[in-house]
Amino acid sequence: DTEVTQTPKHLVMGMTNKKSLKCEQHMGHRAMYWYKQKAKKPPELMFVYSYEKLSINESVPSRFSPECPNSSLLNLHLHALQPEDSALYLCASSQDWFGTGNQPQHFGDGTRLSIL
Amino acid sequence: DAKTTQPTSMDCAEGRAANLPCNHSTISGNEYVYWYRQIHSQGPQYIIHGLKNNETNEMASLIITEDRKSSTLILPHATLRDTAVYYCIVRVRQGGSEKLVFGKGTKLTVNP
Repeated sequence: DTEVTQTPKHLVMGMTNKKSLKCEQHMGHRAMYWYKQKAKKPPELMFVYSYEKLSINESVPSRFSPECPNSSLLNLHLHALQPEDSALYLCASSQDWFGTGNQPQHFGDGTRLSIL
Repeated sequence: DAKTTQPTSMDCAEGRAANLPCNHSTISGNEYVYWYRQIHSQGPQYIIHGLKNNETNEMASLIITEDRKSSTLILPHATLRDTAVYYCIVRVRQGGSEKLVFGKGTKLTVNP
């Protein structure tokens, strides 16, 4: 069982749709992350939030817009996605931002996104 | 780029110990080694991490060489449910920030 909860588990959307992915953790962690994982590839970091502020943006296209409304929630807003954006989107959290400590990240089971 | 290299795949008999090697020859003195695994259709699961000393928890043991250039993850009694991709990870410093960079990992298959 994972302590990081992601919804929805599956999402199919058209290229003109707007949708959001949600991530929630109640472990008191102050750092949260979004990763993208293509089939048969390792996860790749997209964004890092530390204390609800965006700390790292790995040059992600603006059609992906992250939001951290509070310390327990992380959203990823999607708009005008391309078919190549189809992937597993993973959320993770850690006690603090990885750059300042050694605490491990804990991952959710992801949202499998398909763009038609 | 990932700072670790691992074999692409390994096989292990059920009930036997699985020893997964990892090379991290460019690791810095204060960088930890982390191990995660990913079972199909699930998110990566944290297993263990260490700096210099060997570590053990309820899931596995981590043996780090004295020069810290390599490590081995040991699953003492592998079960079929341990079949997964195992990632050995060292933090990467890029552009003034630090982050986890996953390498390609080792696909471990536990056979009955």
